[in-house]
Amino acid sequence: EDQVTQSPEALRLQEGESSSLNCSYTVSGLRGLFWYRQDPGKGPEFLFTLYSAGEEKEKERLKATLTKKESFLHITAPKPEDSATYLCAVQAGDDMRFGAGTRLTVKP
Amino acid sequence: GAVVSQHPSWVICKSGTSVKIECRSLDFQATTMFWYRQFPKQSLMLMATSNEGSKATYEQGVEKDKFLINHASLTLSTLTVTSAHPEDSSFYICSLRQGNSYNEQFFGPGTRLTVL
Repeated sequence: EDQVTQSPEALRLQEGESSSLNCSYTVSGLRGLFWYRQDPGKGPEFLFTLYSAGEEKEKERLKATLTKKESFLHITAPKPEDSATYLCAVQAGDDMRFGAGTRLTVKP
Repeated sequence: GAVVSQHPSWVICKSGTSVKIECRSLDFQATTMFWYRQFPKQSLMLMATSNEGSKATYEQGVEKDKFLINHASLTLSTLTVTSAHPEDSSFYICSLRQGNSYNEQFFGPGTRLTVL
């Protein structure tokens, strides 16, 4: 059965303290791995799509990487406005399966 | 990215009434539309998938007679919660995708439904 597991469940950082969020997956026939950001009471906002192992993408302070078993979302020198829930999702077949998310809090 | 709107953004209704939620794509034609439900501090749970002009495909455990989905056009989908009960209170989010499943989905802002 396809599974997506995100860790940690919650992460508290000081402003400027870099860290990484993990997304482990077991799917057959991965079509794509997606990262989204979700603020409270809002819909997910698209960040990245990764399609193959070794691929990397960057956007401002965020960098996403992909291996055959997991993806990392690296946050460099985070700011309080980076506080949100980060969702990982995998596409295998027609369905997108989401992880439970990592709630990131960045303290000033 | 694509712009997706939902209406209303929140609704409060009495138990037993029906509520309709609209999802619109403002700047592209969506081949496929999805409806998700999200409970507090939980991830998104897919309810159903629909393609324009076709009947929606519902996930296991989702009652199709209770959650009516109409994919009226390439830019509009509606979710009607019929005979709503307090346990239907949740955050409902639509998403749209253009083309095949290698493409990303774009999400609406969500609708908070509270059933009294």
